[in-house]
Order: sequence, then C-alpha cells, then structure tokens
Amino acid sequence: KQEVTQIPAALSVPEGENLVLNCSFTDSAIYNLQWFRQDPGKGLTSLLLIQSSQREQTSGRLNASLDKSSGRSTLYIAASQPGDSATYLCAVLMAGGFKTIFGAGTRLFVKA
Amino acid sequence: DTGVSQDPRHKITKRGQNVTFRCDPISEHNRLYWYRQTLGQGPEFLTYFQNEAQLEKSRLLSDRFSAERPKGSFSTLEIQRTEQGDSAMYLCASSFFTGGQETQYFGPGTRLLVL
Repeated sequence: KQEVTQIPAALSVPEGENLVLNCSFTDSAIYNLQWFRQDPGKGLTSLLLIQSSQREQTSGRLNASLDKSSGRSTLYIAASQPGDSATYLCAVLMAGGFKTIFGAGTRLFVKA
Repeated sequence: DTGVSQDPRHKITKRGQNVTFRCDPISEHNRLYWYRQTLGQGPEFLTYFQNEAQLEKSRLLSDRFSAERPKGSFSTLEIQRTEQGDSAMYLCASSFFTGGQETQYFGPGTRLLVL
C-alpha cells in the first residue's frame, strides 16, 4: 500500500529565505509526482509535475526533484515571499495511471 | 476555459438526508476524479471516470455514495442517508490523459457539514 509522507508538517520562515519541503513515498511504482499548493478553504493548484523518468522540474522560484529509487522528492522555494504562505501537497500517480495518493501537506507561513 | 467548477460551494444538511454535488470539468478533459479531504489531511481518492465510464472506486466509497458522469461531461456525486462522518470537503479534478503527462486541475470544492 502506497504511503506518502511530508516533512515538516508545518514551517514558519522569515521573508527571503530559501526553503526545502520534503516528500517520501513507499512504493516506487509511480507514473508521476505532482506538487500542489492549497490556500485555506480552496481547491488545489498544480505547481510542478515530474514524470517518473525525469529528475527535476523548474518553474520560476520553484524547483522540484525526484529520486524514484529512494522514494523521495523535494520542493525547493527560493527567496520566499509572504504570498507563498499556503499548504503544499505532494501527490503520486500510481502506475496503472489513475489513482493519486496525497501526502498530508506542509503548512508554510512566510513572515513579512 | 473557465476551469473546473463545483456546485454548491457549501452544504449544511441534517443527518439522514441525501445530498448531491455537481462538478463541471474543463471541456474536452477525458478524466474526472472525486476526492474527499478532511481537516489537516491531503485529499483521498474516491473514484474516477474515463469519459463516461466509472473505472475505479475506492473502498472509502460505501454503498451510500454513488457517482455518475452521463455523456462524459459533468459529474454528480450523491451521498444517501448522510452521517456526521461524511462532513468533509469534496473535491473534483479533471485531466486530459494521453498516456504522457497528466496534470489534474482541481475545482474549489464543496464543503459539506452534516449536523
């Protein structure tokens, strides 16, 4: 059974810091891994998607890496801003291509 | 393209009542997913459709839950005889799956409170 774990559960940093969010998964038979952002009471916004054959993806100040063999992914946020405050969720799409398993998320607060 | 929409956004009901939620996916997306999310947790997969066919249901989806996607467009999720444990955010997502990259686009969710 696939389990997705995100560490830390919560993080508070001053504005301008670079930070790393961690995601680990127990079953490496994944199709892809996706990072999402969720604002309070809202739906999810896709940030980055990494195919199982890829090692990393970048979008602006965000960089996500994937090490499928070790079951790990990281989301790197450069020069954090108060607007980055949200919950960040990691999700793996299982091989077979339909079932997505989410982690519980990391709640990020960036102080101005 | 107006994104994925869900209706209603909030629903308060009494235990034992039936409720129905609607999801309108991004047009031409062939996959549609339903998830349930409780406070402090990530979304949990409930079911998904490829076009109009419901291809997988989670064990979380008891026989009180039913989902349809007639004509492969909008979808409805019905909960019969609601229980307090059904209180959660119900999220819908859609995607265009081609066997390559598949990004799921989420709606704003329907928050259900069962009293």
